[in-house]
Amino acid sequence: GQNIDQPTEMTATEGAIVQINCTYQTSGFNGLFWYQQHAGEAPTFLSYNVLDGLEEKGRFSSFLSRSKGYSYLLLKELQMKDSASYLCACFFTGRRALTFGSGTRLQVQP
Amino acid sequence: DSGVTQTPKHLITATGQRVTLRCSPRSGDLSVYWYQQSLDQGLQFLIQYYNGEERAKGNILERFSAQQFPDLHSELNLSSLELGDSALYFCASSEGRGGPDTQYFGPGTRLTVL
Repeated sequence: GQNIDQPTEMTATEGAIVQINCTYQTSGFNGLFWYQQHAGEAPTFLSYNVLDGLEEKGRFSSFLSRSKGYSYLLLKELQMKDSASYLCACFFTGRRALTFGSGTRLQVQP
Repeated sequence: DSGVTQTPKHLITATGQRVTLRCSPRSGDLSVYWYQQSLDQGLQFLIQYYNGEERAKGNILERFSAQQFPDLHSELNLSSLELGDSALYFCASSEGRGGPDTQYFGPGTRLTVL
């Protein structure tokens, strides 16, 4: 299979930086997405990585290492509204659909 | 607002019944995907349609079926409903056939089976 592993829950403080990790099996890997999902709402697209390196978008950055089967989402200057689940999703060649991880629930505290 | 619309927003029904969920993709998108998300669970891929044809199938029960119409909207039919079918059902759309396409999600339909 192509397991995707993320921590279940994380807690961080407003104004701080948090890193959410995602690991996956490398066989057939061909791209990784990060989505944000507030409780009861739709997932919203944050970032896409297919090559090694860091992609920066404002307060959010995403990193990928294909050889290590590892990605992280970095959130800077945390705000209360960043409290949400963060979903890591991978595309594997040979499977026509994205595979989603179970998500990391982030709680930002004052 | 992703541009993907879903109706209804909420649906309450009884066991054994049948319901239809509707999705309209973003303008220009040809692929539609259906996902199920039970309480505190991850997104489970059900099925994908591309330009009217089934393209990929996930963990979709035989009691569930879907189709994509010529105007590209899609419907997910759930029959012989069970309590365990209570969940959020999301539709997503993308421009291409699938693969590493960015998917944009609709607001979801919350189904409650009593």
